[in-house]
Amino acid sequence: QVHLQESGPGLVKPSETLSLTCFVSGDSISSSYWSWIRQPAGKGLEWIGRIDSDGNTYYNPSLKSRVTMSVDTSKNQFSLNLRFVTAADTAVYYCARDSIKPVLGTLDYWGQGSLVTVSS
Amino acid sequence: DIQMTQSPSSLSASVGDRVTITCQASQDITNYLNWYQQKPGKAPKLLISVASNLETGVPSRFSGSGSGTDFTFTISSLQPEDIGTFYCQQYDVLPYTFGQGTKLEIK
Repeated sequence: QVHLQESGPGLVKPSETLSLTCFVSGDSISSSYWSWIRQPAGKGLEWIGRIDSDGNTYYNPSLKSRVTMSVDTSKNQFSLNLRFVTAADTAVYYCARDSIKPVLGTLDYWGQGSLVTVSS
Repeated sequence: DIQMTQSPSSLSASVGDRVTITCQASQDITNYLNWYQQKPGKAPKLLISVASNLETGVPSRFSGSGSGTDFTFTISSLQPEDIGTFYCQQYDVLPYTFGQGTKLEIK
């Protein structure tokens, strides 16, 4: 069974960098693509972007200027950095497997989510 | 970006009712559409992929249909455990985008 687990600080100061890591078990990170999604309290889902095991990325243009994703195949994990955060970045952040089966774009396994609050 | 519009935004129905949610894309997405269910405090769960493909382990009372710009998600006989918020998601064009969600409650 594929399992994803987010980790990182729950509180980040305005203008600083939000950093999260997603550890994958039950599957090799080389087998698929991996996405980040966020959800402000009481609101809908926003896809942040994805990365593959070679480090190829696609970022949502709405966040592209502030986002960096990376992958560590030796640790079977991938990471998200979001720079210059504001209160509007307060959300639950999810990592998910972006499956190539049947077609790339299906988010078939999700982490439990990590609440990140931006506040001084 | 492709806009996904779900209707209704909220819905209250009785156990045993047939429930239908629609999702309209702002342009043709062929059948590159998924449906997810999110229960309070939990991550979304994939129910249906490629518009109509039921994921393994998902009850057969759930179904999806449609292609192009108009899609439908149906629960044939609503059960108490089906409460939550349902989202459609397109993956024809990057960035992936989600509908705004449909919150389903039991009367």
